[in-house]
Amino acid sequence: AQSVTQLGSHVSVSEGALVLLRCNYSSSVPPYLFWYVQYPNQGLQLLLKYTTGATLVKGINGFEAEFKKSETSFHLTKPSAHMSDAAEYFCAVTPSGYSTLTFGKGTMLLVSP
Amino acid sequence: EAQVTQNPRYLITVTGKKLTVTCSQNMNHEYMSWYRQDPGLGLRQIYYSMNVEVTDKGDVPEGYKVSRKEKRNFPLILESPSPNQTSLYFCASSARASEAFFGQGTRLTVV
Repeated sequence: AQSVTQLGSHVSVSEGALVLLRCNYSSSVPPYLFWYVQYPNQGLQLLLKYTTGATLVKGINGFEAEFKKSETSFHLTKPSAHMSDAAEYFCAVTPSGYSTLTFGKGTMLLVSP
Repeated sequence: EAQVTQNPRYLITVTGKKLTVTCSQNMNHEYMSWYRQDPGLGLRQIYYSMNVEVTDKGDVPEGYKVSRKEKRNFPLILESPSPNQTSLYFCASSARASEAFFGQGTRLTVV
């Protein structure tokens, strides 16, 4: 079985500061990893994904994440936060070859001027 | 446009009154699933379907039913809703081992 832990239910940053949202996973097989973003009153939108190959993946809106197998981590970063980045972010894992997603509990990103 | 469509977006109902939330996708995806989202708990899977006529329980299936008679549709049925099923529900579809596409959500209140 797989699981996802997101450290920090809320993260606050100032506009222009580095964004770092942490995600650690457990999986008995090589995982596929995803980050989704949810804006208020909307569904989930894919930010980026790791399946195989390059461990540093780039997504939309300037976000990127690095798959580190030795640390079982898939942290999400953005060099400079923008007010429009304020949203809830979910990390998710699925065993490679399957489609059942297991989500973390989410991290709310707050961006102050 | 590729999309997952859920209806209704908002629903208020009374305890015990059967309801159905519809979900339809136009991407010919094999895999569909239902999640509920509750504050502090993230998204938890209710049921999923690997293909037509193939469904299985997720993490929180109690009080819910699903069916998959056609590839594009995956309705969620609450036979006798209770207040603890008040939640935000999402339908999702995906190709095998690929990212999930989510509907806009259905906010259900059971009074």
